[in-house]
Formats: sequence, structure tokens, C-alpha cells
Amino acid sequence: EAGVAQSPRYKIIEKRQSVAFWCNPISGHATLYWYQQILGQGPKLLIQFQNNGVVDDSQLPKDRFSAERLKGVDSTLKIQPAKLEDSAVYLCASSRTSGGPNNEQFFGPGTRLTVL
Amino acid sequence: AQSVTQPDIHITVSEGASLELRCNYSYGATPYLFWYVQSPGQGLQLLLKYFSGDTLVQGIKGFEAEFKRSQSSFNLRKPSVHWSDAAEYFCAVDEYNNNDMRFGAGTRLTVKP
Repeated sequence: EAGVAQSPRYKIIEKRQSVAFWCNPISGHATLYWYQQILGQGPKLLIQFQNNGVVDDSQLPKDRFSAERLKGVDSTLKIQPAKLEDSAVYLCASSRTSGGPNNEQFFGPGTRLTVL
Repeated sequence: AQSVTQPDIHITVSEGASLELRCNYSYGATPYLFWYVQSPGQGLQLLLKYFSGDTLVQGIKGFEAEFKRSQSSFNLRKPSVHWSDAAEYFCAVDEYNNNDMRFGAGTRLTVKP
């Protein structure tokens, strides 16, 4: 079974520019997550989708970050405009459902964003 | 505030030596507990998880972890470390069983030949 795919793997932009990341989850996984991992820290959940609906976006900086999963499959995370502090690795993960002892999140390789 | 603490930022062990990575949490109830490993340039891979039952949990790659309620700890152990175990290790908790996981800051493991 193919894993979680993310692109691009690396992105360098200047502050105030916009950027978009793409994620394709494992086939059949209903739940999709976006995490931000700043250097030296653990991943922080930004947003969680169940199919094409948002379950939790409480930690998403909505003034500049947006995410969508229109058809309930792949997803896009956008930052506009970017700030220096947005430099991080953006991880996408997916799971069959949300919650439950047998559920597991599978992570993609991440997109490393550098904002200059 | 609710938190996950990994007290050791960086640990170095010799190949073949035993390993213990510490994790403490400050949630009121017994959350679901996880350990993940992240190799350079890779995503996170689940090593093991604890939900209930036996407090000693076996995982992949020869790792195990023990949940100690009295100490609010979930330490990861391996009896004999291999050079390929060099990576970043993250402890995570899911308080409400809704896959809203909170991660510790991670412990970087270096393995000496």
C-alpha cells in the first residue's frame, strides 16, 4: 500500500510571499491531519479533516493559514503571506478514522519550508 | 497546563548498550500514549502505543515501553541499541481518544560505534 505523499519536499520563499503544500493520504483513509514541526520541537497539529469536513482547526493561524480537502481525498495547505516564523517542516498524516484503540496515524515525509 | 515532557534533548549511547528514553505527561486521566521515531528527512513512524491493559507494551524494532500511572510516565526502552536506531524519538499523548495528539519536544539519539 502506498504511503502518504507530500509535495514539494523543499520550498524556499521570501517573507510576505504565498506558498502551498499538497498531501495525498493513504487510499481509504477518512481522516487527514496537517502538522507544523518547528526545528527542535515536536509536531503541532494545525488542522484535522474527517472526509471533507474540518474536525479541529483550533491551532491554525487563520489570518494567514488555510487548508482544504474539497473532495475528501487530497488536501492543500496554504500560507499567505508567509512570515519568518513559519519556517518549519509541514507534515501530513492520515488515518482510517478518528480515534479508537486500533487507529494509527501514518505520516508523510514532510515539506521543509524556509522563509527568508 | 497539559503537557508532554521529554527531559532529555540528546542522548548518546554505545552500540549494544541499553537505552531508556523518558516521557512524562500532565493530563488528569489516563491518556492514550505513543512513541514515534523520526529518521532524518523522514516522516514519523509509530513504534508502540498504550491504551489499556498490560502496562508493559511491546513495539517494533525491539522497543518496549512501560506505563507507570503513579509517576505519569511512559518511558521507552531497548535492551541493546543498534547503529540504525540513531534518530529522533517523540512521545505523544491523545487525551480524548480523538487522534488529537500532543507531542513532546523529542529526544535525539546518537549511537557510538
